[in-house]
Amino acid sequence: DADVTQTPRNRITKTGKRIMLECSQTKGHDRMYWYRQDPGLGLRLIYYSFDVKDINKGEISDGYSVSRQAQAKFSLSLESAIPNQTALYFCATSAQYNEQFFGPGTRLTVL
Amino acid sequence: RKEVEQDPGPFNVPEGATVAFNCTYSNSASQSFFWYRQDCRKEPKLLMSVYSSGNEDGRFTAQLNRASQYISLLIRDSKLSDSATYLCVVNPGFQKLVFGTGTRLLVSP
Repeated sequence: DADVTQTPRNRITKTGKRIMLECSQTKGHDRMYWYRQDPGLGLRLIYYSFDVKDINKGEISDGYSVSRQAQAKFSLSLESAIPNQTALYFCATSAQYNEQFFGPGTRLTVL
Repeated sequence: RKEVEQDPGPFNVPEGATVAFNCTYSNSASQSFFWYRQDCRKEPKLLMSVYSSGNEDGRFTAQLNRASQYISLLIRDSKLSDSATYLCVVNPGFQKLVFGTGTRLLVSP
């Protein structure tokens, strides 16, 4: 089984809809991250969390919110989706300053 | 100036060739450095960490030059399976990673 899982893997939604992307990990890491990837722009950090009570904004947090329900779960919400939020979204985990492990990604399309 | 800059490529090389990628970073206080590999529409995966003394893993060699603030990745004896995008990644010391936009490598028969 994969150490970092994301659901859904693909989602098509309409402008204005609320959508939640979920991430779960079995690696036992305290740190979790949400990124989006757009062609030519690379990976950009949306939010990150170093433990259950810790939430931090990344470089592009506007229009997004997160919830860290447990050490193993970190959800990303788009309260009112807009077309420029169409992207590939990755969740990642890490232990301290070590490498980050990524989930398989969620491809989101906002029409 | 971007925090991490890479030549986007693509680098087109034949099998068996040696290819090198460079990456520059802007924050001189950066503490750790990595190369990740990303296949099309897949998640990034760690290829190797980069140490000050340079390090090698099979056909892959990574070098760090702190004075000039650049990192390199050398791939020897390229294989078809090396075709991917290579991401230069830097920890600027704020407990986060900063990713370059990636260099695309295409290895042809």
